Order: sequence, then C-alpha cells, then structure tokens
Amino acid sequence: EVQLLESGGDLVQPGGSLRLSCAVSGFTFYSYAMNWVRQAPGKGLEWVSAISGSGDKTYYADSVKGRFTISRDNSKRMLYLQMNSLRGEDTAVYFCAKGGSGTYYNLWDWGQGTLVTVSS
Amino acid sequence: DIQMTQSPSTLSASVGDRVAITCRASQKISPWLAWYQQKPGKAPKLLIYDASSLQSGVPSRFSGSESGTEFTLTINSLQSDDFATYYCQQYDTYPWTFGQGTRVENK
Repeated sequence: EVQLLESGGDLVQPGGSLRLSCAVSGFTFYSYAMNWVRQAPGKGLEWVSAISGSGDKTYYADSVKGRFTISRDNSKRMLYLQMNSLRGEDTAVYFCAKGGSGTYYNLWDWGQGTLVTVSS
Repeated sequence: DIQMTQSPSTLSASVGDRVAITCRASQKISPWLAWYQQKPGKAPKLLIYDASSLQSGVPSRFSGSESGTEFTLTINSLQSDDFATYYCQQYDTYPWTFGQGTRVENK
C-alpha cells in the first residue's frame, strides 16, 4: 500500500523559511517523479513543484520559482520542499503526491497534507 | 501557461441524477488530463487519467470523455458518497494547472 506522510508545517513569519518533508513507503521510490501541490484555505488546488525520480530534473510554478527548492533523498525515501522568503499567500495545506515514471503522468496518490501558516 | 476553465463552479443534484462537469483547456493537451475528487479536510483522490481511463477501484458510474480541448467528467446515477468537489488537471506542459473546481451539492 502506498503511503505518503508529510511533516514540517508550522506557523512562520513573513520572510521566514521552512522545510517540509514527505516520508514514503509502499512503492519503488526512485522510479517515480514526485510533486508538491498546495491548497490555500477555502481555495482550489495549485501545483507547486515536481522532481524526477533520479532528482536531476525539477520544475516549479512561477509563484514559487526562486524561493522554493524541491529535493529528494532516494536512500531515505524522503521528499523535501525548502521554502524561503515566505509570504502570506504561501499559507496553505501542502500535499506531496506520487507521480509516474514516464514523460506524462498524473498524480496517483496523495498524502494527507501539512499546514503552513505565514503570519506575523 | 495553459489555462483550465472548469464549469460549473457549483452543481446542485439529487441522488440518482446524471451529472456532467466540463473542463476546457486553452490549448491542445489531449489526452493528458486527470480528474480528482476531494472531500472536506481530505486529500484529493484520482478518478480518471489520460482523459478517459478509470483509476482502479473507482466505481464505473464515473467516466471521462474528450472533444478537442473540452473534457467532461460524467457521473451516472449520483450516489450520496459523490457529493464532493471535483478538479480537472492538465499534465501536458509545466507548469501543471488545475481547474477552479466544481462543488457537487445535494439539491
């Protein structure tokens, strides 16, 4: 059974930093791309970032480019999102999601999310 | 960026109804479109991928179709468990984009 467990969400001041983690189990981690998707309170889903299985390719939404960094440690089966220069509009539940192994893939499985609140 | 225009934003229906939700892409993305269901406080759940492929374990009353840049999620014989919010998502080109969501509520 695929399991994704996010952690690291917290209350942080504007301009601050936070690192989210996602521990995975139940599948061959290094074979699959991984993603972060967020959802602001009462709003829709917003794709944030993706990373290839090997970690050599990364992609970002324009809204976070230059501030957020996605990474992974395949030996530990962990996905990360380093978030710097945080803004109020980054307040959201952040989900990690399992992608696929090809060029085009959807989001097969999702974690339950971790809440990031950016406020003074 | 590819824009995904989803309609309606809210849909009122009763158990047993047939409902349809539409998503229009601003450019060709076929067939790289997925549909997700989300219930309050829960993670999204994949229903349909590659525009019309049913995810394993999803009831067959859910189906997806496409016509050019327009994609439709249809629920035949709506069940009480289906009252939720539905999102489309394109995975043709980064940045990936979601539709605004459709809330299916009990009439």
